[in-house]
Order: sequence, then structure tokens, then C-alpha cells
Amino acid sequence: SYVLTQPPSVSVAPGKTAKITCGGDNIGSKSVHWYQQKPGQAPVLVIYYDTDRPSGIPERFSGSNSGNTATLTISRVEAGDEADYYCQVWDSSTDHIVFATGTKVTVL
Amino acid sequence: QVHLQESGPGLVKPSQTLSLTCTVSGGSISSGSYYWSWIRQSAGKGLEYIGRVYTTGRTNYNPSLESRITISVDMSGNRFSLKLSSVTAADTALYYCARGHRGNDFPDWGQGTLVTVSS
Repeated sequence: SYVLTQPPSVSVAPGKTAKITCGGDNIGSKSVHWYQQKPGQAPVLVIYYDTDRPSGIPERFSGSNSGNTATLTISRVEAGDEADYYCQVWDSSTDHIVFATGTKVTVL
Repeated sequence: QVHLQESGPGLVKPSQTLSLTCTVSGGSISSGSYYWSWIRQSAGKGLEYIGRVYTTGRTNYNPSLESRITISVDMSGNRFSLKLSSVTAADTALYYCARGHRGNDFPDWGQGTLVTVSS
């Protein structure tokens, strides 16, 4: 089965840039989606199709995907960005949905 | 804006069957190129895909749970359901229903319902 790997945690100072990686075998050939989950809340889609932002998601959130790594970038980090972030793909070989284990972003 | 709401017992005994329903409002479950999914999250853990159902009735299940899962859709009731049999404490989790789009992303989620497996 397809495996996605994220760092368990990322710490960033307010106003700085946070980069959250999502590793997978040739992930650049897949569409990657990113979710933000705050405590006690359902996940919220923040990036889909590698780089697209749903309406209502700030431009500070951006994504990229190439080779074996996809990246979610949060620019000008705010305290409200503190949350868990998950990447997700559809594995065409098995027709299954795969989530990574998530990254906890802490704003210092 | 579609709204999804999970419902079902919050407590299930070991070896019994967990049954949850997700009611969809604000849109027809049969319209558009969507499918309907269940995703769960154990305490302090990440998201786990359980499975999905299309309005045609076609299903796809997580292989680790496949032998115990049934997901079905009720078009007239605008809802879909999850049945997970032979539950154990490891099935204790927050269960979410979600709408999947053609790109296999999930922009629409229910609020989640906590199911505890305990005698």
C-alpha cells in the first residue's frame, strides 16, 4: 500500500514561514490535498490538486508537489495557524484514499 | 452549501456491530460527481480512511477493515450509512462522514461523532 510520510512537528515564529513536507514514492505524479485540523474541530481542506486554494482560505497557504515530496507552505504565520496538518492522496493502483500521519504546527 | 451530520449510538459493546448514519442536507446526495465517505480518528491519532460509496452503489473499503465494513447509500433518505462488525476497543474513535469530489479531495465534512467500544 502507498505510504505518506510527514514530520511529527514543525515549530515556527509568528510572521515567519512554515514548510510542511509530505513524502511518498513519486508523489509528484499524484494529486495531493492538504487539511488543517484544529482541536475539537473537523478537518478543513486548505489545498487541493497540489496548489489550489478553496474559497475562504488565505493566500498565505500555498502548495507544491514534485518528485518524492509535496510541500505545504504557510507564509506570515499567525497564532491561528496552530493546528495539525494532514496530506492526502488517492492511490490509483489500489483505488484507495491515503492519509499521512499529520504534522503538528506550533507557533512560538 | 452541503451539510453533513453523523448520528448513531455513542457506545457499542465489544463484538457487536457499530452502525452510523450520515444525513446530507443542502443538496441531493445523487447530484454531481461526488462520492460519500467515512473517515475515523482515534484519540490523539491521525485520520484513517474507512471507505466510500458512490450513488451507483459501488463501494471501496480500506483493506485493513474490509472484512468488517459495509457502507451503503439511501437515495430517498438523502443519507448513507456505515456498519462495522465485530468491534473491539481499537475501533473507539471519532467517526466523520465526508463528501468526496472527483479529485478525491474532501472539502465537506460532518462534525464527527464519538463512538466508544466498551462493555
